[in-house]
Amino acid sequence: DAGVTQSPTHLIKTRGQQVTLRCSPKSGHDTVSWYQQALGQGPQFIFQYYEEEERQRGNFPDRFSGHQFPNYSSELNVNALLLGDSALYLCASSLGLGYTFGSGTRLTVV
Amino acid sequence: GQQVMQIPQYQHVQEGEDFTTYCNSSTTLSNIQWYKQRPGGHPVFLIQLVKSGEVKKQKRLTFQFGEAKKNSSLHITATQTTDVGTYFCHDAGNMLTFGGGTRLMVKP
Repeated sequence: DAGVTQSPTHLIKTRGQQVTLRCSPKSGHDTVSWYQQALGQGPQFIFQYYEEEERQRGNFPDRFSGHQFPNYSSELNVNALLLGDSALYLCASSLGLGYTFGSGTRLTVV
Repeated sequence: GQQVMQIPQYQHVQEGEDFTTYCNSSTTLSNIQWYKQRPGGHPVFLIQLVKSGEVKKQKRLTFQFGEAKKNSSLHITATQTTDVGTYFCHDAGNMLTFGGGTRLMVKP
């Protein structure tokens, strides 16, 4: 049973560019959440998707947007990248109890 | 806004010593989850606590939820080198907020 799959694993982008990160949830999980984790800090909640709708949103600007597809997979889009967007982006899926995290996408903005 | 604070930020222990991390919220939590993140890894779900005063054990790990549901703790008895990592509490209710984590380092 595959866990949460994220792609790509690493990415380098230039300031001002746009990026799309992808997540396939664990089989059977219908809820996908995205987190940003800076080095040495706890994950910061970006948003959560359920039934293709954004259900909750953390304190992130509108440059961060997302989507969930009918097969429950999800994308995170970030526009107008800033140096401060450099972080590990984690996707987590759930079906009730506990969140299963992917290995993350390491985004570096130069 | 709601905050989830964790203390201590770092803890060095000798192998065999006990370890405790504390999580405190400014608001009442509907439930709380605990995760472990190994260096270079991703958070792994350990447990969820829901009821006021709840205590759960997993081998050497003991998890507690405060009576007022505003705090929680994770205690590890007789630490081993395999316990190394950062332990996070997570408000899985409305705000999906993680604490800042406690990084545990174990000296063999």
